[in-house]
Amino acid sequence: QQPVQSPQAVILREGEDAVINCSSSKALYSVHWYRQKHGEAPVFLMILLKGGEQKGHDKISASFNEKKQQSSLYLTASQLSYSGTYFCGTEPGANNLFFGTGTRLTVIP
Amino acid sequence: KAGVTQTPRYLIKTRGQQVTLSCSPISGHRSVSWYQQTPGQGLQFLFEYFSETQRNKGNFPGRFSGRQFSNSRSEMNVSTLELGDSALYLCASSWAEGLPTNEKLFFGSGTQLSVL
Repeated sequence: QQPVQSPQAVILREGEDAVINCSSSKALYSVHWYRQKHGEAPVFLMILLKGGEQKGHDKISASFNEKKQQSSLYLTASQLSYSGTYFCGTEPGANNLFFGTGTRLTVIP
Repeated sequence: KAGVTQTPRYLIKTRGQQVTLSCSPISGHRSVSWYQQTPGQGLQFLFEYFSETQRNKGNFPGRFSGRQFSNSRSEMNVSTLELGDSALYLCASSWAEGLPTNEKLFFGSGTQLSVL
């Protein structure tokens, strides 16, 4: 039930854009996105609910296609502070959130 | 407002021993989830508790168990430790009550368990 994330790792220069994809084999109630910096706890970014909505704040946004059971996280004009591992969490059923293996994003000057 | 607190921060055990990890959720949160994090495997769901009841369980052997107390604090126990149990164990709390879980998780800093 673990969602599949791609790519596994990506290196960007400051100002470049990136897309992280997340797909599930099961129908989903929602998709969550979290970022974990090295040695720290994962921190919530956003939740997307059924309805194909797109959400975002600052230069990080995401979309959710419930028919395809896919979500994408968009990072535009990347900053050094965006570095970390991004996890998508999918909720195929009540009260159990399954996370992908993560995408390691490195932003270099 | 205090965050999610996990103790201890580090643990070193030997194979065959058992271990108990503790998690104190954010005040008011009644849902507590546990995850195992290892390199390459991401965050693996262990179980989720709400008001002292286990609502969901991941695909882990019976050596992994947990419980939640009336004050929402939670413990997880691993018996007969194996080398492969070495991992960072994260606990997360949320307001989540009903279906679906439209509430964000607040994670603790984790307990790093090393099994020798």
